[in-house]
Amino acid sequence: AQKITQTQPGMFVQEKEAVTLDCTYDTSDPSYGLFWYKQPSSGEMIFLIYQGSYDQQNATEGRYSLNFQKARKSANLVISASQLGDSAMYFCAMREDTGRRALTFGSGTRLQVQP
Amino acid sequence: GAVVSQHPSWVICKSGTSVKIECRSLDFQATTMFWYRQFPKQSLMLMATSNEGSKATYEQGVEKDKFLINHASLTLSTLTVTSAHPEDSSFYICSAHLSGRGSNQPQHFGDGTRLSIL
Repeated sequence: AQKITQTQPGMFVQEKEAVTLDCTYDTSDPSYGLFWYKQPSSGEMIFLIYQGSYDQQNATEGRYSLNFQKARKSANLVISASQLGDSAMYFCAMREDTGRRALTFGSGTRLQVQP
Repeated sequence: GAVVSQHPSWVICKSGTSVKIECRSLDFQATTMFWYRQFPKQSLMLMATSNEGSKATYEQGVEKDKFLINHASLTLSTLTVTSAHPEDSSFYICSAHLSGRGSNQPQHFGDGTRLSIL
């Protein structure tokens, strides 16, 4: 079974508007971390934001915020005031705190910001 | 901040060649590094976990004799694709986790290596 699900293969957003990228996850580990990474066409993985399973408040990092709904097992990324440079692939990932602690990635969402 | 350096960034070589990719943590120690593979328009898939001073742990379906991993020091892991064939063409990317830090630390990724086997 997939541990990380991103149901939006592609998204369009107008410049300066906000956009939400969906992510749901599945784990039986009570301690885990959720991450969002941005991958531009050049390929590097850029860390955006982190949410821990025990964090009470939603994480925020500048224009990025994470809408964490633990009971629903969702960790949606919200990008406010979209910029043309935000156009890229976005991956949601999970790290379970037991075991090898590698990241498990979702299938990604390609975001295109339109002028 | 923490930086992971990966080299080379691009390799084009003939079928049957062995290719070595290096992953270095530049300003931190990493007892564990991870190697991922990404095919075009797909997600990153974990290939193996590289452990300093011990054998790597490979994911199911990954041939350990084809993808040799060596983690000889706390700052260097290497992935060698032996006798590469066109189906091995892919984007390979490594990551490292700061040793001894909590789970909220992100994995730091190298910039990746695009491998093309002719």
